[in-house]
Amino acid sequence: QVQLQESGPGLVKPSQTLSLTCTVSGGSISSGDYYWSWIRQPPGKGLEWIGYIYYSGSTYYNPSLKSRVTISVDTSKNQFSLKLSSVTAADTAVYYCARAYSSGYYLYWGQGTLVTVSS
Amino acid sequence: DIQMTQSPSTLSASVGDRVTITCRASQSISSWLAWYQQKPGKAPKLLIYKASSLESGVPSRFSGSGSGTEFTLTISSLQPDDFATYYCQQYNSFPCSFGQGTKLEIK
Repeated sequence: QVQLQESGPGLVKPSQTLSLTCTVSGGSISSGDYYWSWIRQPPGKGLEWIGYIYYSGSTYYNPSLKSRVTISVDTSKNQFSLKLSSVTAADTAVYYCARAYSSGYYLYWGQGTLVTVSS
Repeated sequence: DIQMTQSPSTLSASVGDRVTITCRASQSISSWLAWYQQKPGKAPKLLIYKASSLESGVPSRFSGSGSGTEFTLTISSLQPDDFATYYCQQYNSFPCSFGQGTKLEIK
């Protein structure tokens, strides 16, 4: 059974960089035709797809966030990471890591981690 | 980008009711649509993929239909555990996108 777990600071100051890591257990991040993704949800609002990384390192980002997002993978640690720069209060959200099949729907999700942007 | 619009935004119903939630895409997505259920404080749970395929372990009272731009999620007989928020997601093209959600409330 694949499990994903987000980790990182719960509070980030405005203009700084948000950094989160997703640790994958129960399966290798290098195996299979999967897209390792980040999705966020502002409090009381809907889901916004941030981007994905393939185990080979290829990435695709939501154009609305592309200029500020970097997703990377560390296959040796079975982890992938999110960096979001120049954050504002609008980036306050629960951030989920998730795994998509090649076709693009999400069966496995982390529990989510709330990141608050505030001084 | 493809926009996904769900209706209604809120739905009040009773245990035993049959309910339908609609999701419309701004352009054709063939059958590349998934439905999720989300409860407060929890991650979304996959219910349906490829518009009408029931994920393993999901009760058969959930069903999905549609293709192109219009899709529906139907719960045949509401159970107490079904009161939650439901989201559709298109994965026809990147960036994938979600509907704004439908909150299913107890009447």
